[in-house]
Amino acid sequence: GAGVSQSPSNKVTEKGKDVELRCDPISGHTALYWYRQSLGQGLEFLIYFQGNSAPDKSGLPSDRFSAERTGGSVSTLTIQRTQQEDSAVYLCASSLQRGHGYTFGSGTRLTVV
Amino acid sequence: DQQVKQNSPSLSVQEGRISILNCDYTNSMFDYFLWYKKYPAEGPTFLISISSIKDKNEDGRFTVFLNKSAKHLSLHIVPSQPGDSAVYFCAASARETSGSRLTFGEGTQLTVNP
Repeated sequence: GAGVSQSPSNKVTEKGKDVELRCDPISGHTALYWYRQSLGQGLEFLIYFQGNSAPDKSGLPSDRFSAERTGGSVSTLTIQRTQQEDSAVYLCASSLQRGHGYTFGSGTRLTVV
Repeated sequence: DQQVKQNSPSLSVQEGRISILNCDYTNSMFDYFLWYKKYPAEGPTFLISISSIKDKNEDGRFTVFLNKSAKHLSLHIVPSQPGDSAVYFCAASARETSGSRLTFGEGTQLTVNP
């Protein structure tokens, strides 16, 4: 596609439920990143994919968070048993190669009530 | 440990004047620095970057300055325009980091008043 597409754009969920956030990167971009921005905070790194593998998962805050990428394209970030502190804007970015020149999606605003 | 810090959460300037946004970093391994701009309900968009081998990079109204000894960079916008009103994020990466992932600051909300 022309840009990075994320869905849903907004998600309200009850505490304890699982959620899935989707990212469609720019076609041909091999590197894919997930970040989140909590209220009043900067962008916090979560995970990096190169192709379908995730060489860096160091930013995932707990084992409730997981992500996968299939076909070197679409990625899904799953949060199990959501907590109120998971409320944030989750941003996906892709890049033609490792390193610079990220293109971000518009994000998914997750609200856990 | 906040490796990239933007100490000013907000900045307000008059249209036509210069906007100066500041950023400090602590990790001496960082060798590439970027500025992103973010409008509400949109993802950040790349603005300008600078490699550690340079101390200045200019693109139209935007100039980024890097002071490696002080571990400080700044973004100058001149002249400022109302459309520049947005949140500006400073980011840094190190070649050795897996994927050269970017570490972001907290952002500075710039408001340019007509």
